[in-house]
Amino acid sequence: DSGVTQTPKHLITATGQRVTLRCSPRSGDLSVYWYQQSLDQGLQFLIQYYNGEERAKGNILERFSAQQFPDLHSELNLSSLELGDSALYFCASSVSLAALNEQFFGPGTRLTVL
Amino acid sequence: ELKVEQNPLFLSMQEGKNYTIYCNYSTTSDRLYWYRQDPGKSLESLFVLLSNGAVKQEGRLMASLDTKARLSTLHITAAVHDLSATYFCAVGRYGGATNKLIFGTGTLLAVQP
Repeated sequence: DSGVTQTPKHLITATGQRVTLRCSPRSGDLSVYWYQQSLDQGLQFLIQYYNGEERAKGNILERFSAQQFPDLHSELNLSSLELGDSALYFCASSVSLAALNEQFFGPGTRLTVL
Repeated sequence: ELKVEQNPLFLSMQEGKNYTIYCNYSTTSDRLYWYRQDPGKSLESLFVLLSNGAVKQEGRLMASLDTKARLSTLHITAAVHDLSATYFCAVGRYGGATNKLIFGTGTLLAVQP
């Protein structure tokens, strides 16, 4: 158990809908990362927050957005869902932005869009 | 743009045999991570390699890093069935404001009895 929690574990929804994925980092970790894992794209970095501020964006669609709250938990919002958004979404956390900081991954949320 | 390539993509090996997974990356980085993923599960950190020539070993797995060649290897010694999983390498992309990871394609390892 990495100490990173994600809810829900599974999510099944329809095209066009909007969902919110939630992540709580390890105690003391200020940085949160979101990654998407799919069969065709592999593991891709989406976005990173540090202490409430966005720090980096990867291959994140405009239909997707995220935020990190004062208590450091983060939410990833996915809207106008398409079939191709079906994937495993991971959250990871690390203590800071320092290059040496290891990232610890949560259990993931499996999103299925029908 | 940083690219990370792993080979092979799939590896079927017999118990007791040795093999190596290769991870090549396209631009300079001095941080290389290896993760293990079981089907449908999260990523488990195996090794963090932070400098040229770094070598780390845990059980039957040994990882090394050659930053000049932009190459990391994960060597499996005397494989056992429990090692069956997908192995990912990831390169740390530190750019001042971020330390995001760029992942390789993954190597699916199947150890046959």
